[in-house]
Amino acid sequence: GENVEQHPSTLSVQEGDSAVIKCTYSDSASNYFPWYKQELGKGPQLIIDIRSNVGEKKDQRIAVTLNKTAKHFSLHITETQPEDSAVYFCAASSNYGGSQGNLIFGKGTKLSVKP
Amino acid sequence: GAGVSQSPRYKVAKRGQDVALRCDPISGHVSLFWYQQALGQGPEFLTYFQNEAQLDKSGLPSDRFFAERPEGSVSTLKIQRTQQEDSAVYLCASSSLHGTDAFFGQGTRLTVV
Repeated sequence: GENVEQHPSTLSVQEGDSAVIKCTYSDSASNYFPWYKQELGKGPQLIIDIRSNVGEKKDQRIAVTLNKTAKHFSLHITETQPEDSAVYFCAASSNYGGSQGNLIFGKGTKLSVKP
Repeated sequence: GAGVSQSPRYKVAKRGQDVALRCDPISGHVSLFWYQQALGQGPEFLTYFQNEAQLDKSGLPSDRFFAERPEGSVSTLKIQRTQQEDSAVYLCASSSLHGTDAFFGQGTRLTVV
């Protein structure tokens, strides 16, 4: 089955700097890669996603890149702000044909943005 | 409502008690997933519904765990004879068919004492 590895487990940056979180996956059939932000005591919140037919996607300060050959995808946050502090999870799934699309998550990255 | 709603938010159960956790998905969402999140870990898949049909229960850790979605909307996750290792946050997510854009509820934190 699918296995998702996520690095680093913790990341501390200064406000205004960029943050990068990297994930690798094992199943070449995976074709959907969302990123979730989870604040303390809350459920995961979808912040951006990418499908396997796209190499990069941007949404304001957030971008995700995908390298299908290397089975590697990354989250980039620019101009970080204290409110970006949270735990970030990458995930992978396949959702074509009859596949149901349940997500396989990484172990998470705790991002701290220091003012 | 606009989002996925779960109740209760917190549940403390004595070991051996049965518990029932409720999920109200986003209206019209065909797919419903339950996940278990241990402290400091990512969510792990438990079970999947497409409308009222439970198509995958491969992630349920034991036969003490049971889930239903009888009318294809609200779902209940039931845990019988709770054990300490069942302590976790139970998350419900709903999405359109095939699981893209899955939206999560706030979760139910279960503590078994």
